[in-house]
Amino acid sequence: SQTIHQWPATLVQPVGSPLSLECTVEGTSNPNLYWYRQAAGRGLQLLFYSVGIGQISSEVPQNLSASRPQDRQFILSSKKLLLSDSGFYLCAWSFIPGQNNSPLHFGNGTRLTVT
Amino acid sequence: GQNIDQPTEMTATEGAIVQINCTYQTSGFNGLFWYQQHAGEAPTFLSYNVLDGLEEKGRFSSFLSRSKGYSYLLLKELQMKDSASYLCAVRDSNYQLIWGAGTKLIIKP
Repeated sequence: SQTIHQWPATLVQPVGSPLSLECTVEGTSNPNLYWYRQAAGRGLQLLFYSVGIGQISSEVPQNLSASRPQDRQFILSSKKLLLSDSGFYLCAWSFIPGQNNSPLHFGNGTRLTVT
Repeated sequence: GQNIDQPTEMTATEGAIVQINCTYQTSGFNGLFWYQQHAGEAPTFLSYNVLDGLEEKGRFSSFLSRSKGYSYLLLKELQMKDSASYLCAVRDSNYQLIWGAGTKLIIKP
């Protein structure tokens, strides 16, 4: 069966500091990978998605970036955090849409507080 | 534009039945998903509808009418652990997921 790991679970970072969140998937090959952000009491905002190694699509222009150095590894980064970057960050994977109805499966999330 | 509408909050009593509605306007349709999200946790997949009709999974059922752009999630025999937010999401013609803001369900004893 497939599992998704995301870390760290919580993070407190000062404004202007860098960020690196990591996500790995086990038990499947060539998954679609996603980074979402959820502000308190708000819906899910898609930040990035990837259909393969090195292939990243950005949905929202901002000071965040994503990379997929390996098939089942997805990294969210920032060079300088802003206060507005605070939120709940979720990594997710799915099969290629059209296969197995392809729901998204989420990691446990990272709660980021920028101070 | 693309839009998903759900009620912001609903309250129900333990042991009762509650129906959470979702209406959508999207560019194409390739399935509708319901997720449950407990406070402070990640969403978990509940159900998927791509054809009209009712899909039943234990105490939870989900209904879809594509012609009306409408779905509902029906929760029976409510338990306190069902207190959570319920998210509706539609996959559009580009296979992108469009998310609703979620419905916070409060269960009272």
